[in-house]
Order: sequence, then C-alpha cells, then structure tokens
Amino acid sequence: DAKTTQPTSMDCAEGRAANLPCNHSTISGNEYVYWYRQIHSQGPQYIIHGLKNNETNEMASLIITEDRKSSTLILPHATLRDTAVYYCIAGSSNTGKLIFGQGTTLQVKP
Amino acid sequence: GAVVSQHPSWVICKSGTSVKIECRSLDFQATTMFWYRQFPKQSLMLMATSNEGSKATYEQGVEKDKFLINHASLTLSTLTVTSAHPEDSSFYICSAVEGALEETQYFGPGTRLLVL
Repeated sequence: DAKTTQPTSMDCAEGRAANLPCNHSTISGNEYVYWYRQIHSQGPQYIIHGLKNNETNEMASLIITEDRKSSTLILPHATLRDTAVYYCIAGSSNTGKLIFGQGTTLQVKP
Repeated sequence: GAVVSQHPSWVICKSGTSVKIECRSLDFQATTMFWYRQFPKQSLMLMATSNEGSKATYEQGVEKDKFLINHASLTLSTLTVTSAHPEDSSFYICSAVEGALEETQYFGPGTRLLVL
C-alpha cells in the first residue's frame, strides 16, 4: 500500500476555496486516491475518489497529476462545518484496504 | 448516500467480560466489511477485513482470538472483544462496501468502548 504525505494542518477563511495537497509518489497502478474526512468523535465521511482523471461531485473536486504522484482536494467554498481532519489514502482495488495516515487538520475560520 | 449503523454507540464494561459490537449496512448489501480502531489523538488503524460467509482476515499484530469477527449476512458483521481489558478501550469503527473493492467504503458512526 502506497504511503501518502499530507501537511499536518491548514487554515482557510470561510467562503474561500480550501486546497488540500497530498503526495503519493509510490502509488501503484491499481491504487485509487480516496479522500475522507473525520469530524471529532464521528466515523469518517467519504468525500471523493479517483484513479487517473479529475473528479468532481457535490462536495469537492479532486485533481490528480498526470503522473499520479500527487493530488489536491478542493472544497470550493469552505464553511465552518468543513473543519475536520482530512485523510488522503491510496487504496488498493485488489484488497479494498484503506490505510489511514495522520491526515490534515483543516481549520476554517470566520 | 449509503448508511452504515453501529450498535451500541458506547459501552462500558468490567475487565474480563466480552463485548459485542454490531455493524449493519442499512440500505445496501455489503460484500465486504472492515473493522478499525482509533485511540485518542491517533488515526484509524485497520484491524481486519470481513467477507460474508468466510473467515475474517486480520492485520498483522491483531489477535484473532481476542477480536472475534463474524459476518453472518450481507448486512451484518459483528466484532466481539473477548476478555476485555482497559487497554482495549478505544473507538471501534466499521465500514462497508457494496460490490467491487475499489468502490466507496461507507463508515459507521463508531462505538466507544471503555473497559474499567
């Protein structure tokens, strides 16, 4: 399973876009990039995932570099409720296992 | 979106007793379920992979005789912590996936276990 590297913490102003980077330079061809977030004392919430192409849903956009060695999660208009720990995970399509790292603590400020 | 529930949401037990935690997929059939644990201020740690009708696969370092996992149906998996001790106190979270393994894993709300 590929290891991912994320900044420990980030701040974002309410209403602005939050761009969360993730490095996964050792990702293999059958590993997807998943993003989850966890608000204190709750189970993780799915945000988005992708293999090669950029993806967008109602919550966020995922931009994956062409070489797949890094990605960026974009929350287009951050709100205070987006304050959470965000996890970027390279998950195997063979096993389905998600190996969580330490994630990025995003603090959205008014 | 798909909903996964856990029961109980929190439990307090005495040292030496066993505790069962249920994980249910409410509106889909889960071919695979996963169990995690999370200690305070730490990330989630995968404990085991559970497939309906077969034995669970445990991660390295996880005692299969202590953490019994049963996946009796496509909507229910249970984790039993046997002979619980204070060091087993943790936040236990399950997840479920419908269909192919690269599909979205949906997580339950977690069960907080406190062993006295």
